[in-house]
Amino acid sequence: AQSVTQLGSHVSVSEGALVLLRCNYSSSVPPYLFWYVQYPNQGLQLLLKYTSAATLVKGINGFEAEFKKSETSFHLTKPSAHMSDAAEYFCAVSESGGNTPLVFGKGTRLSVIA
Amino acid sequence: EPEVTQTPSHQVTQMGQEVILRCVPISNHLYFYWYRQILGQKVEFLVSFYNNEISEKSEIFDDQFSVERPDGSNFTLKIRSTKLEDSAMYFCASSAQGGSGNIQYFGAGTRLSVL
Repeated sequence: AQSVTQLGSHVSVSEGALVLLRCNYSSSVPPYLFWYVQYPNQGLQLLLKYTSAATLVKGINGFEAEFKKSETSFHLTKPSAHMSDAAEYFCAVSESGGNTPLVFGKGTRLSVIA
Repeated sequence: EPEVTQTPSHQVTQMGQEVILRCVPISNHLYFYWYRQILGQKVEFLVSFYNNEISEKSEIFDDQFSVERPDGSNFTLKIRSTKLEDSAMYFCASSAQGGSGNIQYFGAGTRLSVL
C-alpha cells in the first residue's frame, strides 16, 4: 500500500528565507508524486508533479521539488519565501498518474513572517 | 480558467438525516472523485467514477454512501443516514481522460457538520 509522510504539521519561515517542506513516500511501484497547495477557502491547487521524467521538477510560483528514490523523498523547496506563500501544502502519491486515487499526507501549514 | 465548483460550502445537518453534496466538474473531464478530510487528519480517497459507474472505492465508502451523475454536468455524493463521524470537509475532483500524470483538479470543498 502507498503512503505519504509529511514531517512538520506547521513550518514558519521569515519572508525571503528558504522554504523546505518535507515529504517521504512509500510505494511498491514507481510512484507518481504531487504537491498541492490550499489557500484559505479555496480548493487544492496543483503546484507540481513528478511522473518519472526529470528528477528535479519545477512548479508554479517558484516552487520546485526533487525526487530522490534512494531516500524515498520528494521535498518541496522555494529559495525565497513570500507572504503570499502562506497556505497548507499537501504531498500526494498515486500508482499510475492522475486517474487513480491520490494518497495524501497530513499536510504542512506554512506561515511566513514579515 | 475552468474550475470545479462545489455547493454548498457549508452544510449543517442532524444525525440520521440524508445529505447530498453537489459538484460541477470541469466540462470536458471524464473522471470524477470524492475525497474527505476529517479535521486534523489526512485527505482520504472515497470513490472514483468513470463512464457512469464507480471505478474504484475505498473501505470508507460503505453502503451509506452513493454517487450519481444525474445529468451531464453534476456529480453528487449522497450520505443516507449521517453519523457524527461523517463530519468532515468533502472535496470533489475531476481529471481528463488518458495519459499518465493527469492532474486532478479540486473544488473548494463542502464542510459537513453533523450535529
